[in-house]
Amino acid sequence: AQSVSQHNHHVILSEAASLELGCNYSYGGTVNLFWYVQYPGQHLQLLLKYFSGDPLVKGIKGFEAEFIKSKFSFNLRKPSVQWSDTAEYFCAVTGWNNDMRFGAGTRLTVKP
Amino acid sequence: NAGVTQTPKFRVLKTGQSMTLLCAQDMNHEYMYWYRQDPGMGLRLIHYSVGEGTTAKGEVPDGYNVSRLKKQNFLLGLESAAPSQTSVYFCASRPGGLETQYFGPGTRLLVL
Repeated sequence: AQSVSQHNHHVILSEAASLELGCNYSYGGTVNLFWYVQYPGQHLQLLLKYFSGDPLVKGIKGFEAEFIKSKFSFNLRKPSVQWSDTAEYFCAVTGWNNDMRFGAGTRLTVKP
Repeated sequence: NAGVTQTPKFRVLKTGQSMTLLCAQDMNHEYMYWYRQDPGMGLRLIHYSVGEGTTAKGEVPDGYNVSRLKKQNFLLGLESAAPSQTSVYFCASRPGGLETQYFGPGTRLLVL
């Protein structure tokens, strides 16, 4: 089965700093990749997804992610974070068997 | 359009008690999922269903059972609750094909 690892457990940034959160997956077949965000006390919301085509995917709220197949990576980026981006971010992957596996999550704290 | 709803929102159980969590979706989605979320571990898939009358095991199925008797409902049962099952449980659904999952608001379960 596929698995996902997120390198950063907790990231602390100041407003306007650039963000990159790492995500690597382990799976030999075709995958679909996702980034979800969970604001405090809320359920998961989709930020962006990759199924095929252009490996640079743009999502909501200025986030983007790049799929690098050779590195099995799908890193999340944002050029300039805001205080309201404070949340937990989850990378996820689905394979042929229709189940979705999540990484452990990265907690982002943005200082005003 | 309610989307994905979960009942109850919060529950306290004693060790050995049983309970059923209900997930309902009104989007006519084929696939439904149950996850548990624990600090530092992200979301882990318990069971999922690819259609009415079908279920499959995920990453952490032990101690749980599920049923999908109606397309819109996906039940998660704990026959004999254990403190290790203290968690937040999320249900999700999605249509077939290349589509994302929609998450419910979660059920917080405390097993004493």
